[in-house]
Amino acid sequence: DADVTQTPRNRITKTGKRIMLECSQTKGHDRMYWYRQDPGLGLRLIYYSFDVKDINKGEISDGYSVSRQAQAKFSLSLESAIPNQTALYFCATSDGASGRSHEQYFGPGTRLTVT
Amino acid sequence: SQKIEQNSEALNIQEGKTATLTCNYTNYSPAYLQWYRQDPGRGPVFLLLIRENEKEKRKERLKVTFDTTLKQSLFHITASQPADSATYLCALEMAGQNFVFGPGTRLSVLP
Repeated sequence: DADVTQTPRNRITKTGKRIMLECSQTKGHDRMYWYRQDPGLGLRLIYYSFDVKDINKGEISDGYSVSRQAQAKFSLSLESAIPNQTALYFCATSDGASGRSHEQYFGPGTRLTVT
Repeated sequence: SQKIEQNSEALNIQEGKTATLTCNYTNYSPAYLQWYRQDPGRGPVFLLLIRENEKEKRKERLKVTFDTTLKQSLFHITASQPADSATYLCALEMAGQNFVFGPGTRLSVLP
């Protein structure tokens, strides 16, 4: 089974709807991240969480909110979806322990289309 | 804010040659610089990490260099193969494991 899973994998929604993207991980990592990817712009950080009680805004947090329900779960919400939030969304995890390698492990992505 | 440029959006090379990808950044040097591979429709996969006090790192056919004076990292794939075709992303790890990614370079290795 995959270490980082995302649901749904694809979603089409209408402008103004609320939508939640979910991420779960089995790596035991304390740190989790949400990114969006747009052609030509690369990955941009939306929110990140270093533990259940520590949540931080990233570069492009406007229009998004997150919830860290447990160490293994981190969800991203679009309160009122708009068309320019159409993108590929990735969840990632990393091990924040001192001395550990800092690579990020990514989920398979969620393709979101807002019409 | 930190900005990253990767040399070109796309790079085509012949099989067997060495591919060299460039990552340039502005502002202050990160503690770590990472390279990822991304295949179409998939999440990025970690390849290599280099620390600010390291000049070079190797892993099999991959080599990464890091020049904090030039604010540049070079990523080399030697003896390239068609299976190396993918998009390669440079990422800077800022203070507190906050990551900034470059736009990526799409590499095509032609048989």
